[in-house]
Amino acid sequence: TQLLEQSPQFLSIQEGENLTVYCNSSSVFSSLQWYRQEPGEGPVLLVTVVTGGEVKKLKRLTFQFGDARKDSSLHITAAQPGDTGLYLCAGRGSNYKLTFGKGTLLTVNP
Amino acid sequence: DVKVTQSSRYLVKRTGEKVFLECVQDMDHENMFWYRQDPGLGLRLIYFSYDVKMKEKGDIPEGYSVSREKKERFSLILESASTNQTSMYLCATTTSLKSYNEQFFGPGTRLTVL
Repeated sequence: TQLLEQSPQFLSIQEGENLTVYCNSSSVFSSLQWYRQEPGEGPVLLVTVVTGGEVKKLKRLTFQFGDARKDSSLHITAAQPGDTGLYLCAGRGSNYKLTFGKGTLLTVNP
Repeated sequence: DVKVTQSSRYLVKRTGEKVFLECVQDMDHENMFWYRQDPGLGLRLIYFSYDVKMKEKGDIPEGYSVSREKKERFSLILESASTNQTSMYLCATTTSLKSYNEQFFGPGTRLTVL
């Protein structure tokens, strides 16, 4: 069974601070996705990383896939209250299944 | 835009009742999924369907069944609801199972079993 360990589980910061969320596994994934879920809604895809060492930027969000494709990180620069939500990483192995991390609940206070 | 709708946002049922959760998508996607989401446990796959009348068990299928009679509709059935099935249920869909494909989620049904 593939597992994804996500940390931290909770994060409460002030507007303007930077933060990093980590997603780690002992398994290799063919791709890794990051989703954000807002209260009362389903998760929405932010990014997919496929190649080991890949870095993708989405405005103030930077996503990195580890060289060995076993881990990933999400870095947010100058966080804003609109970034508040549950961040989920999800890895795809050799079959159709997505393995989800348990999520990081981010609160950005004004 | 893909739209995935779920029949109810909130549902309260009693132990032993038969419960139907419905999911409808409007983008002609072959693949549909049912997950449950619990605090501290993340999203766990209950069942997956890759075509009409075709299904596969996910990681936690016990106590659940599914039905896919039409391509756009995927139902999750709790034959006899129990309190440990109180959870948020999320339906998702994707056009193909390629590794980079996005899953599109519905808004979820928060089910409480009393």
